[in-house]
Amino acid sequence: DGGITQSPKYLFRKEGQNVTLSCEQNLNHDAMYWYRQDPGQGLRLIYYSQIVNDFQKGDIAEGYSVSREKKESFPLTVTSAQKNPTAFYLCASSIQGDSFNQPQHFGDGTRLSIL
Amino acid sequence: AQSVTQLGSHVSVSEGALVLLRCNYSSSVPPYLFWYVQYPNQGLQLLLKYTTGATLVKGINGFEAEFKKSETSFHLTKPSAHMSDAAEYFCAVRIQGAQKLVFGQGTRLTINP
Repeated sequence: DGGITQSPKYLFRKEGQNVTLSCEQNLNHDAMYWYRQDPGQGLRLIYYSQIVNDFQKGDIAEGYSVSREKKESFPLTVTSAQKNPTAFYLCASSIQGDSFNQPQHFGDGTRLSIL
Repeated sequence: AQSVTQLGSHVSVSEGALVLLRCNYSSSVPPYLFWYVQYPNQGLQLLLKYTTGATLVKGINGFEAEFKKSETSFHLTKPSAHMSDAAEYFCAVRIQGAQKLVFGQGTRLTINP
């Protein structure tokens, strides 16, 4: 079955450490997104990519970095510059076109915690 | 600034009762509107969407929503709640010309037996 796979499901980070969250999709979607979810705040857009080798900052990009070297993959790195990284991170994808008009398909998320 | 407001962070209904989850947005231009559902420790799943055309939109699991331009609302309803409907529900709005979805803060739906 096609879908989005996020790994790991749970991740722990030490102070000053960078961590990378994986997101892979086999839906042949062009657009991919990373969201951060905090209790009572809904979802906030971190980065998005509408084509390979191109990506754009969302509302809360500071302290995060991404790459889009392959259509299927959109990893997110949480750097040590992100001072409050504890959250639930969701990856999503959608078909080509005006991608924000299209339904987004979500992975099951990665929960990141600070040790 | 564009925004989405979901009235009530927590809604509780009895099994078999009407479900009404409220969503209002701020935009002078009709947006694209979505409702998503999230079960614990999972991602979001699309329930329904409105882009253009008929203002009453039917989605999965018996849910529907009506776009009311005059009220800038897109409330989600289901005639008869089922225990499996217990989840968190998010309204999302794509303002035309904006490169993002704006999500509401979510409404947690509890179903009482």
